[in-house]
Amino acid sequence: GDSVTQMEGPVTLSEEAFLTINCTYTATGYPSLFWYVQYPGEGLQLLLKATKADDKGSNKGFEATYRKETTSFHLEKGSVQVSDSAVYFCALRRLEGAQKLVFGQGTRLTINP
Amino acid sequence: GAVVSQHPSWVICKSGTSVKIECRSLDFQATTMFWYRQFPKQSLMLMATSNEGSKATYEQGVEKDKFLINHASLTLSTLTVTSAHPEDSSFYICSARVLSGGEKLFFGSGTQLSVL
Repeated sequence: GDSVTQMEGPVTLSEEAFLTINCTYTATGYPSLFWYVQYPGEGLQLLLKATKADDKGSNKGFEATYRKETTSFHLEKGSVQVSDSAVYFCALRRLEGAQKLVFGQGTRLTINP
Repeated sequence: GAVVSQHPSWVICKSGTSVKIECRSLDFQATTMFWYRQFPKQSLMLMATSNEGSKATYEQGVEKDKFLINHASLTLSTLTVTSAHPEDSSFYICSARVLSGGEKLFFGSGTQLSVL
């Protein structure tokens, strides 16, 4: 079945460091890919998405590129801030059949000043 | 933006008791609610999908008689864990789907259930 595997956390970085959170997926067909973020005490929010191969999703300085050849959708940010501390979830959804979201296990990110 | 209020945020209960988790959409009507759970170090897994006024559709391996879902109105859905046991200890999250103006999903902040 479909699955998403994320880089295990927790990840701790200093402010202004470069961030990469790895995400790979297994799915039949051509799924849409998503990154969600959950700030402390809040619900998950959509951070960015990509719907086809080679698409790049971007938002709030974060980017992720849909790489079909490596079945990956790694999240990157060039310079993180303390306010980026949160849990990040990678997810996929197939366009055909059951259109449910399939999530990874989440990666907790802490940014120190 | 739209908010889904989920309560309680954490609950501790004795084995054999029932626990109810509520999710309310505060400023919109949710045609569909999704319920997820996450065990430690595992993925967020879909448990069931419910449409207002209809019976919930459960994912394979989720006991419908143990996890009772009620979606009686467009702004409220509840998940009741009946006769909870320690293996039900998990993080439960609801998500509301809105179809107007394009599909959007809004998530509750989650409920950490610990069964002693």
